[in-house]
Amino acid sequence: EPEVTQTPSHQVTQMGQEVILRCVPISNHLYFYWYRQILGQKVEFLVSFYNNEISEKSEIFDDQFSVERPDGSNFTLKIRSTKLEDSAMYFCASKRVLVPSPLHFGNGTRLTVT
Amino acid sequence: EDKVVQSPLSLVVHEGDTVTLNCSYEVTNFRSLLWYKQEKKAPTFLFMLTSSGIEKKSGRLSSILDKKELFSILNITATQTGDSAIYLCAVEAEGGGADGLTFGKGTHLIIQP
Repeated sequence: EPEVTQTPSHQVTQMGQEVILRCVPISNHLYFYWYRQILGQKVEFLVSFYNNEISEKSEIFDDQFSVERPDGSNFTLKIRSTKLEDSAMYFCASKRVLVPSPLHFGNGTRLTVT
Repeated sequence: EDKVVQSPLSLVVHEGDTVTLNCSYEVTNFRSLLWYKQEKKAPTFLFMLTSSGIEKKSGRLSSILDKKELFSILNITATQTGDSAIYLCAVEAEGGGADGLTFGKGTHLIIQP
């Protein structure tokens, strides 16, 4: 069964550094998402992306975050200047059509900011 | 602000027991409710519910939605140790774009042998 793949599985970075989290959504999916889950807390929506532009973003997704689909298969999340509180599990997700269609999640990237 | 509340937050039962997990929600312009199972990493999709009163079933798992009372339940019968996981409820609401899901805190289910 096709799946969403994310790399790396774990990234450790120093505060203030830039990180890029990478995702390959399921190939015939059109809608792409990033979520994050701080340890012990809820899964939280960050941003949705469709037709090469951001569709919606949450208040968490401030100016330090950006997303890009640099080619036909990758979908990236960049955090420009990481803070300690950015430490979390970041999940990429995709869906084929807008409705009705479930989101399929990748295994996540655990980001640790030291 | 949209809200999704799950109960109980944690539950410990013995293998073979039946469990019922609850999810209530308050969202504007409800579109669908989804259940996910989260073991070590990615939430894996279980059910998507859009209509009231229609039970969705997959093996020992089943779920139903009540749009009048704004809740859903997830039932697991004859539980096995492999059912141990966090069960997440999420609600999708209509909006202008490709709206994200609002998740509950999850129910941490532990099945003891």
